[in-house]
Amino acid sequence: QQQVKQSPQSLIVQKGGISIINCAYENTAFDYFPWYQQFPGKGPALLIAIRPDVSEKKEGRFTISFNKSAKQFSLHIMDSQPGDSATYFCAASGRNFNKFYFGSGTKLNVKP
Amino acid sequence: DAGVIQSPRHEVTEMGQEVTLRCKPISGHDYLFWYRQTMMRGLELLIYFNNNVPIDDSGMPEDRFSAKMPNASFSTLKIQPSEPRDSAVYFCASRPRVRNTEAFFGQGTRLTVV
Repeated sequence: QQQVKQSPQSLIVQKGGISIINCAYENTAFDYFPWYQQFPGKGPALLIAIRPDVSEKKEGRFTISFNKSAKQFSLHIMDSQPGDSATYFCAASGRNFNKFYFGSGTKLNVKP
Repeated sequence: DAGVIQSPRHEVTEMGQEVTLRCKPISGHDYLFWYRQTMMRGLELLIYFNNNVPIDDSGMPEDRFSAKMPNASFSTLKIQPSEPRDSAVYFCASRPRVRNTEAFFGQGTRLTVV
């Protein structure tokens, strides 16, 4: 059973638009929710992360929105750029930071 | 630091053959992780080590898979015998002991079993 469910599977956005990727989880023991960015031929790299004690975290054009009661969190990419074209994974882990459960990934294509 | 180094980058082997994937973690990192990425199952944790000791191998799919970490700077993931369904990208990652720190991933080994 997938611990973290991610949607959509793929996303096409025009340059300058907003990209939104959603994730949902069931395990209330999860304590840390990162987003990873992966370019072809590369390993995933941490993009931004949030703890459940806050509802939003912003770093530059990237924002995580977190809804603890709904057990959902989302990534918003503002002013999307062609260089943002990559696969994005949400993930969740408990407090030990060792066992991460990943979503299935969203392939983002930002059109020039 | 050069980051996590994996070798080979690509491996093509015939079914039934033994395959060994290698990983050099970032110097000073105490934790090492092996992940597998497939289209069907996404990114899955296979096993992780702390100070060279395997802590959780519950993600290792079968007895055909084994992992070792003989020292702090080297780990291997072995598949014997390999099967076509083992075809995937295998990632190694490492992180320091400090709490609340992320793991850094290598570039992966793309394994194809024909």
